[in-house]
Formats: sequence, structure tokens, C-alpha cells
Amino acid sequence: DAKTTQPTSMDCAEGRAANLPCNHSTISGNEYVYWYRQIHSQGPQYIIHGLKNNETNEMASLIITEDRKSSTLILPHATLRDTAVYYCIVRPTTNNYGQNFVFGPGTRLSVLP
Amino acid sequence: ETGVTQTPRHLVMGMTNKKSLKCEQHLGHNAMYWYKQSAKKPLELMFVYNFKEQTENNSVPSRFSPECPNSSHLFLHLHTLQPEDSALYLCASSKEPQANYGYTFGSGTRLTVV
Repeated sequence: DAKTTQPTSMDCAEGRAANLPCNHSTISGNEYVYWYRQIHSQGPQYIIHGLKNNETNEMASLIITEDRKSSTLILPHATLRDTAVYYCIVRPTTNNYGQNFVFGPGTRLSVLP
Repeated sequence: ETGVTQTPRHLVMGMTNKKSLKCEQHLGHNAMYWYKQSAKKPLELMFVYNFKEQTENNSVPSRFSPECPNSSHLFLHLHTLQPEDSALYLCASSKEPQANYGYTFGSGTRLTVV
């Protein structure tokens, strides 16, 4: 079972920041938060991951609360091409226990012109 | 391109046919995965291979038969499928146990069973 909860859907105006929340209240100390997205009928694409500190790359920023029970993925200037389903997943990076990536339903983000 | 290549991209097969899906990666990864995604449903993990050995089979019917001849290639052999098996089949790979960047996915094979 997925260990995260996300809103079913969100809308965002083109050019504005998209803030996608994720709740992972049962996260373990060795589990990272990963974000993927899936554009219609394509394979999921890695976006970003983090443990405790906030992270930023060319695609997005990841803000993790101090207690690590929730996080927010930020797309700073959303474009129409960012319309996709966004998945938040928790898993250890050093996977010695056969924990595979389990995908929940994710958040369907619609970027509107 | 992600580095994980799946062929064919689309496949239509009858219920009595036998076909195979192919997945190939040259990323130096040692684990490969098959996922199934039915319409409007989350991805479901089907099979996991680590170092060519199957380590997980999530109660998948025997009409789906995986094969992993080496760490770069993964097949999914299909026979006597049902219409409800129509779905997007996704292959992924990773470098375990230190999968820092998670899984790399292919573009998928869209399967239609008629």
C-alpha cells in the first residue's frame, strides 16, 4: 500500500507556481521522499527526492517539514507541459529490504492557460 | 529518451495469440521491473528482477510470463490473455541497493486484447 496521501486533483494558472502537497505521517527515519510525474500515457519521470533538507533542481523544489510528516513539491512557473499526474512516494534509497516503489493514485495537475 | 527502451509501443492481440514485450536498458542498472497500468488506476507492480533473479511476483496470473536473460534485457511473454488485460505495460530499471534516483521508466507498451 502507498504510504502517502495526496489531493486527487489541482488546477494551476500558467506561469504561476504550482504547489503540490503530500502527507507521509508514518515515514521512517531512513526513508526519502521521491516525486515522479506521469504525462498522459507515458512512463513516470523522476523529478526530485529529499530526506530532511529542502532540495532544488532544474525542474522543481521540494520542501519537507521539520517533522518530515509532509512535503510540498513546487513547480515555480508552471507551463501547459507540466499537466500530468504527480506521485509522491517514500522509500529508503539504500534498499536492503526489497522495498519497491509503490505508486498511489497521485495528484492530477491541470495547468490552465 | 530515458535510457530504458520498450518495444513495441503499441500491440493489438487476440485472446489466442502469443506475443512478447521487450525492455532494454544500458544504464548499468542491475534491477528491472514490470508494472501494469490499467485505465484510471495506479501503477501495479507485477515482477521484480534483481541480478537476473526474480525476487517478486505480485500474484500475477500465469498467462504473463517474465524472462530476464541478463541484467540489460527483460521480456514479458503473453499468452491467452483476456480483454481486461488491456493496459499500459511499463518497464523500469534501477541500480540496487543504492537507488538514489529511484527507477528509470520506459515509455511503455500500450496493449489491447481483442
